[in-house]
Order: sequence, then structure tokens, then C-alpha cells
Amino acid sequence: KAGVTQTPRYLIKTRGQQVTLSCSPISGHRSVSWYQQTPGQGLQFLFEYFSETQRNKGNFPGRFSGRQFSNSRSEMNVSTLELGDSALYLCASSFLYQGASGNTIYFGEGSWLTVV
Amino acid sequence: AQKVTQAQTEISVVEKEDVTLDCVYETRDTTYYLFWYKQPPSGELVFLIRRNSFDEQNEISGRYSWNFQKSTSSFNFTITASQVVDSAVYFCALHGQNFVFGPGTRLSVLP
Repeated sequence: KAGVTQTPRYLIKTRGQQVTLSCSPISGHRSVSWYQQTPGQGLQFLFEYFSETQRNKGNFPGRFSGRQFSNSRSEMNVSTLELGDSALYLCASSFLYQGASGNTIYFGEGSWLTVV
Repeated sequence: AQKVTQAQTEISVVEKEDVTLDCVYETRDTTYYLFWYKQPPSGELVFLIRRNSFDEQNEISGRYSWNFQKSTSSFNFTITASQVVDSAVYFCALHGQNFVFGPGTRLSVLP
């Protein structure tokens, strides 16, 4: 069974640009959540999508957005990139929505974004 | 509010030593789940274990063991006879209504 797949794995962008990251969940999983990981802030929850609807959102500015398609694949977009957006962006999938009791989330390898 | 504390930021041990990673959590939920994930340098968080709040039995899986003590709100992780491949960042997580991750403990196992 294929795991969570994220693309691209590495990318470098310039300040002010935008970026789109993609995540394909484990087959059959309907929830996709996104996390930002930085050395200073650790793992921070961005948002969760379940059956194409955003269920939950973390405390990030509106420059961070996402969507989920009917096949459960998800994309996240960051507009007007800032140096501080440099981070590892992790996608996680699960069969149930995150808040469901007994749920386990499985992570992809992440997308390493560097903003210069 | 939910919170997970991993007081050990970094630990270094020599191969074959035993090492325990501490995890203390806070929650008002009566039903919750606790997790451990391993993050090797590649970046992926690898799921290791899930325990629910009603099951305080300790668990052993090969060289890994977990000690859940509800009375002290702790869910500690022990690696016996550590190996270089165990070097990674380990995260403890709490799942009540959402997932809350601890700050992680970086384990370095030296040959």
C-alpha cells in the first residue's frame, strides 16, 4: 500500500513569489492535513481537509490556503512568500477526520521549501 | 487546553546503551490517545505506536517499549540496546479533539 506522497520534495523560491505543494493521501483516506515544521516553532498545524471541505484551520495568515479534490488529493498554496516561510511542509492523511476518536494520521516525507 | 511536553531537547548515547525519552501531557479529555512518531533525517514522520487513555498496559515491540502512567500523565518511550539507525527526532503526540505534538527530542546514537 503506497504511503502519503508529497511533491515536490525540494524547492527554492524567491520572496514575493507563490508556491503550490501537492499531497496524495494513502488510498482510501479522506482526510488530509498540513503541518509546517521549523526549528524554532516545531510542528504547527496549518489546516485539515476532509471530503473536500476544510474542517479545521490553524493560526496562520490568509497567505496560506489549501484545497482538496474529489480524489482526496490536496494542494496547499502560499502566496507572497516571506523568508520566514522557509520550512518543511508535511502532509498527513487518515481515514477519519482528525478529531475522530481512535484516528491515526500518517505522514509523507514532506516538501522542503527555501525562500531566498 | 492540550499540551505535550518533551523536556529533553537532545540526547546522545553510545550504541548499545538503553535510552528513555520522556513525554508528559496535559488534557481535560477523559478519552484521548497518545502517539509516538520517529522523524529520520529524510523528514517523514513514521508512526510508532498509539495508546488509548483506558489502556495503561505497557507495550513492548522488539527493542522499543512504552510506559504509560495516567497518574503522572506520562507516556515514556524506551529504546533498549540502541543502534545508530535509531538516530532521529522523536515526537510524542496527544490526540483529543485534534493532534497536538510535543517539541520533539533529538536522539543521537554514536557508534
